[in-house]
Amino acid sequence: EDKVVQSPLSLVVHEGDTVTLNCSYEVTNFRSLLWYKQEKKAPTFLFMLTSSGIEKKSGRLSSILDKKELSSILNITATQTGDSAIYLCAVEAGTDKLIFGTGTRLQVFP
Amino acid sequence: DAMVIQNPRYQVTQFGKPVTLSCSQTLNHNVMYWYQQKSSQAPKLLFHYYDKDFNNEADTPDNFQSRRPNTSFCFLDIRSPGLGDAAMYLCATSRGKGETQYFGPGTRLLVL
Repeated sequence: EDKVVQSPLSLVVHEGDTVTLNCSYEVTNFRSLLWYKQEKKAPTFLFMLTSSGIEKKSGRLSSILDKKELSSILNITATQTGDSAIYLCAVEAGTDKLIFGTGTRLQVFP
Repeated sequence: DAMVIQNPRYQVTQFGKPVTLSCSQTLNHNVMYWYQQKSSQAPKLLFHYYDKDFNNEADTPDNFQSRRPNTSFCFLDIRSPGLGDAAMYLCATSRGKGETQYFGPGTRLLVL
């Protein structure tokens, strides 16, 4: 059965800290891995990763995929209170759907 | 600027009373998806359309139906909502299979 696991489930940090969120997967016919940020509404797209070892970067956020280890990390540097959200990892496998992880809840305090 | 639009944003219905949620898109994407997201859980795919081709997930209850009358619109019909159907319903679109999915703002359904 296709599976996506995120860790940690929850993270509490202070502004300015750097955080690393983890996503590992076991799927057949891997196609891509996506990161989404979800606040009190629908998920918003952050990154799509298909190639191993290539870092995608957007401001303070960056992500990299390791196909050998079947995992990805999402880094957020110099965290701000506005980064508080649930971060969802999703993997597209052979079928035309996304398999979501349970998410990591990040809380950033001033 | 809204690209994936869902109406209404909040819907209250009575137990057993049919309800329809709508999704429209201005992206001209071929694929449209409906997800159900319950509190503190990841979104769960209910079904998707690739153009007019309907794909139902095996574990989607029969109570849930969908219609896509044209490229821009897709509807989720819940024939007889139960208390367990209270959730956020998310619509997403993608240009093609395997491409990035863009989500609408969601409709939060409350069943009384």
